[in-house]
Amino acid sequence: DGGITQSPKYLFRKEGQNVTLSCEQNLNHDAMYWYRQDPGQGLRLIYYSQIVNDFQKGDIAEGYSVSREKKESFPLTVTSAQKNPTAFYLCASSSKQGWGYTFGSGTRLTVV
Amino acid sequence: AQSVSQHNHHVILSEAASLELGCNYSYGGTVNLFWYVQYPGQHLQLLLKYFSGDPLVKGIKGFEAEFIKSKFSFNLRKPSVQWSDTAEYFCAVSLYNTDKLIFGTGTRLQVFP
Repeated sequence: DGGITQSPKYLFRKEGQNVTLSCEQNLNHDAMYWYRQDPGQGLRLIYYSQIVNDFQKGDIAEGYSVSREKKESFPLTVTSAQKNPTAFYLCASSSKQGWGYTFGSGTRLTVV
Repeated sequence: AQSVSQHNHHVILSEAASLELGCNYSYGGTVNLFWYVQYPGQHLQLLLKYFSGDPLVKGIKGFEAEFIKSKFSFNLRKPSVQWSDTAEYFCAVSLYNTDKLIFGTGTRLQVFP
């Protein structure tokens, strides 16, 4: 079955450490996205990529970095510069402009 | 900046009650409109979407939404809710010919038997 796989489902990180969240899709979608979900704040866009080897900052990119070396993969690194990294992170992809997204099941990151 | 407002943060209903969740957006141009649902412990799923044509859109599980351009609204409705509709509902807007979806803050719906 086609879909988006995010791993791990739960992740714990010590303060000061970088951590990378995985997102893989087998839908042959060109565009991929990373959102952060916090209670009462909805989903906020971190980074997005419309094509391999290209990506753009979203609304809350500070403290995060991404790469898009392959069409199927769009990993997100939460760096130690991110002041409040504890959140639920969602990866999504889309095949055509404006047609909506397919979401992964998310990664819950907790900084301890 | 474009934004999406969902004024109902938490809605509590009994089974068989009717549901209407509000969604307003701020953008004067052409938009595509979406409602997503997130059931407890599950990923976000598309309920319905509007691109053009009939402003009354029917989605899965008996949901529908009406696009009222003059009011910049895209309210979600269901005539009779079920306990299984308990979930969080997100309205989202994408500007015409762009990829980015702008989400509202979500509405948590609890349905009691």
